[in-house]
Amino acid sequence: KQEVTQIPAALSVPEGENLVLNCSFTDSAIYNLQWFRQDPGKGLTSLLLIQSSQREQTSGRLNASLDKSSGRSTLYIAASQPGDSATYLCAVSNAGGTSYGKLTFGQGTILTVHP
Amino acid sequence: DTEVTQTPKHLVMGMTNKKSLKCEQHMGHRAMYWYKQKAKKPPELMFVYSYEKLSINESVPSRFSPECPNSSLLNLHLHALQPEDSALYLCASSHRSRGAPLDTQYFGPGTRLTVL
Repeated sequence: KQEVTQIPAALSVPEGENLVLNCSFTDSAIYNLQWFRQDPGKGLTSLLLIQSSQREQTSGRLNASLDKSSGRSTLYIAASQPGDSATYLCAVSNAGGTSYGKLTFGQGTILTVHP
Repeated sequence: DTEVTQTPKHLVMGMTNKKSLKCEQHMGHRAMYWYKQKAKKPPELMFVYSYEKLSINESVPSRFSPECPNSSLLNLHLHALQPEDSALYLCASSHRSRGAPLDTQYFGPGTRLTVL
């Protein structure tokens, strides 16, 4: 059974800092890994998707890396802003078997960026 | 257009009521999903529809009944719910349900359900 863990559970930083969120997963047989952002009481916004054959993806100030063999991904946020405050969720899409295409989520990292 | 819409935004219902949640997308996606999210927890998959056919049911109680009347619409019919079913119900869609490398899931804003 796939398990996804995110560290830290919560992070508070001053505006302008660069920061790293961590995600690890137990089963390396994945199709892809997605990072989502969720604002309180809202739906999920997809930030980046990394295919299993890729090492990293970039979008603006965000960079996500994937090391499939070690079961790890990181989300790097450059020059953080108060508007980045949200919960960040990592999810993996499992390959094959009865879990075909199912997303397994981590517990999330609550990020607070203060002015 | 990368939007998934859900109605209603909020729903309060008694344990004897029958209600439905609706989800719509016009991105041409042929896979649609229902998730349940409790406070401070990640979303949990309930159902997956692929080409309007139910492909995954994550052992969800029968008081939740999904329906996919066409490729753009997904409903979740609710009957005889319990207070512990109160949660945010999220709908998502993607090109395919196979989780292939490019199958980003797009989520709607959710319906906040309260069962009294």
